[in-house]
Amino acid sequence: QVQLQESGPGLVKPSETLSLTCTVSGASISTYYWSWIRQPPGKTLEWIGYIYYTGDTNSNPSLKSRVTISMDTSLNQVSLKLSSVTAADTAVYYCAASGIDLVHDYWGQGALVTVSS
Amino acid sequence: DIVMTQSPDSLVVSLGERATINCKASQSVLYTSNNKNYLAWYQQKPGQPPKLLIYWASARASGVPDRFSGSGSGTDFTFTISSLQAEDVAVYYCQQYYGTPSFGQGTKLEIK
Repeated sequence: QVQLQESGPGLVKPSETLSLTCTVSGASISTYYWSWIRQPPGKTLEWIGYIYYTGDTNSNPSLKSRVTISMDTSLNQVSLKLSSVTAADTAVYYCAASGIDLVHDYWGQGALVTVSS
Repeated sequence: DIVMTQSPDSLVVSLGERATINCKASQSVLYTSNNKNYLAWYQQKPGQPPKLLIYWASARASGVPDRFSGSGSGTDFTFTISSLQAEDVAVYYCQQYYGTPSFGQGTKLEIK
């Protein structure tokens, strides 16, 4: 059973960089595409981007300039960095696993990140 | 960008009755080379992450009860719960994966 657990600071100041880590268990990190998806309170879901173990990455054009997704295969972890955050980046951030089709079969429980001074 | 629009925004249905949600894409999500619609449906209960129910517009994910079904092609899709159960109260989202993945705004399903 694939399990994903997001972790990181729950509060980030405006203009700073949001950093989250997703720890994967129950599967090799080389098996799936690993996406980050976020959901502002009371709103719909927004796909942020993905990484594959080959190093292949892609991200939503609306966020591309601020997003960095990386992977540590030795630790079975995927990381997200989102720079220059504003209050609009306040959301629950999910890590999710999919095939190349980006249908998300497995999700973490999510991590709430609030952007506030 | 492909915009996904769901209707209705909310739905109240009696136990045992049928629930139907529509999803319209701003452009076709049918990939003609493999004749597949790049459309999925998810269920999200309060405080939980989304759960995959349907992919390729009509294929049920593993372990999903057969009261859940999906249909449609091109730009117009329908998600149906044939006989509503109490545990089906949730918000339902459609997602296209033809282009940069995008989700509908969600439909909140409640029991009458």
